[in-house]
Amino acid sequence: GAVVSQHPSWVICKSGTSVKIECRSLDFQATTMFWYRQFPKQSLMLMATSNEGSKATYEQGVEKDKFLINHASLTLSTLTVTSAHPEDSSFYICSARDGTGTEAFFGQGTRLTVV
Amino acid sequence: AQKVTQAQTEISVVEKEDVTLDCVYETRDTTYYLFWYKQPPSGELVFLIRRNSFDEQNEISGRYSWNFQKSTSSFNFTITASQVVDSAVYFCALSAFSGNTPLVFGKGTRLSVIA
Repeated sequence: GAVVSQHPSWVICKSGTSVKIECRSLDFQATTMFWYRQFPKQSLMLMATSNEGSKATYEQGVEKDKFLINHASLTLSTLTVTSAHPEDSSFYICSARDGTGTEAFFGQGTRLTVV
Repeated sequence: AQKVTQAQTEISVVEKEDVTLDCVYETRDTTYYLFWYKQPPSGELVFLIRRNSFDEQNEISGRYSWNFQKSTSSFNFTITASQVVDSAVYFCALSAFSGNTPLVFGKGTRLSVIA
């Protein structure tokens, strides 16, 4: 089946630096990808919808200038956490639906720790 | 708006017991998809099942079974003869039927199976 690959699996960064997370659809084209955030012992909350060739759509309360999303190709979306702070420490996971909208595929997730 | 409620935050059972995880959903859509995922400590989401709203047949897969009751907007998940390896967080999720839409997740149920 289709696979979504996310990289890195984990990252530790210093406060104030930026971190880029990549999400790739390996064997299908994803015009739309979704980015979720999961704090410890909480659910997955949709942060933004990434659209190939256009601006991302952010959920209410998510700072678009802090969480930069780029979807430059049909197989790659990136999330950049800019000027990271300890409160940004979380598990970030990307997702893509297949062309029919039937299946939902998830990346392996990225555990971000900001120190 | 779509909403998924998993009222059970944590469940503990002794190995070999049966356990049912509840899921109740709300949607205005007449057609939709329902999902269950398992999230082990590694964080990666493991797909368990997808069910579309016009297929109310119950499904069994090994020790797993699902009961979809459209009349009560529930999609419950039962593990028969639970094993320690079943210990994880289980998420129920809902999505629109058509198009590239994200999944809406419940808050999850943490299942602990004790040997």
